[in-house]
Amino acid sequence: GQQLNQSPQSMFIQEGEDVSMNCTSSSIFNTWLWYKQDPGEGPVLLIALYKAGELTSNGRLTAQFGITRKDSFLNISASIPSDVGIYFCAGLVVSANDMRFGAGTRLTVKP
Amino acid sequence: DTEVTQTPKHLVMGMTNKKSLKCEQHMGHRAMYWYKQKAKKPPELMFVYSYEKLSINESVPSRFSPECPNSSLLNLHLHALQPEDSALYLCASSRRTSGVNNEQFFGPGTRLTVL
Repeated sequence: GQQLNQSPQSMFIQEGEDVSMNCTSSSIFNTWLWYKQDPGEGPVLLIALYKAGELTSNGRLTAQFGITRKDSFLNISASIPSDVGIYFCAGLVVSANDMRFGAGTRLTVKP
Repeated sequence: DTEVTQTPKHLVMGMTNKKSLKCEQHMGHRAMYWYKQKAKKPPELMFVYSYEKLSINESVPSRFSPECPNSSLLNLHLHALQPEDSALYLCASSRRTSGVNNEQFFGPGTRLTVL
């Protein structure tokens, strides 16, 4: 089945720094999603990408759907302490039940 | 309203107990999902309901029994669970199970502990 490789596994950064994380796959996806999960809570959808090459922003977050449809990245600019959490990428084929998650990137922001 | 609600928030049960987890959404979504999530791992799909019918069962043990009473509600009935079933159980919904613009929205989860 499709496997998503998400990196890095964890990041420790200083407040104010920019962050970049990405997901790659050997298979093509029709949709890329980025979620953030706080401890003990459910994943919250940050950005949804539907077209190859699409670049979408949500406040300080920017994500891109790779041209090959096999990868996506998420950038966070000027990080703040509340950005702390686990970020998951997810890829969707036509059927939503085919949604695959990356292993997650754990972000720690030092004040 | 993009909210999926789940109750209870926390649940502690013994291996002989019977309990139920509840999920509700009022977004008009016709697909609903149950996921199990262990610590530091991504969610794992358990069940998919499409138009109130079970469409996917990812080889989940029969001690987990899903139910979809109507298009807004999803239950997960638990019976004779094992300690290794302790996890965060997440409910999600999406417009449908196929097609574009079909992202899943998750509830806050139920933290289940089996003693």
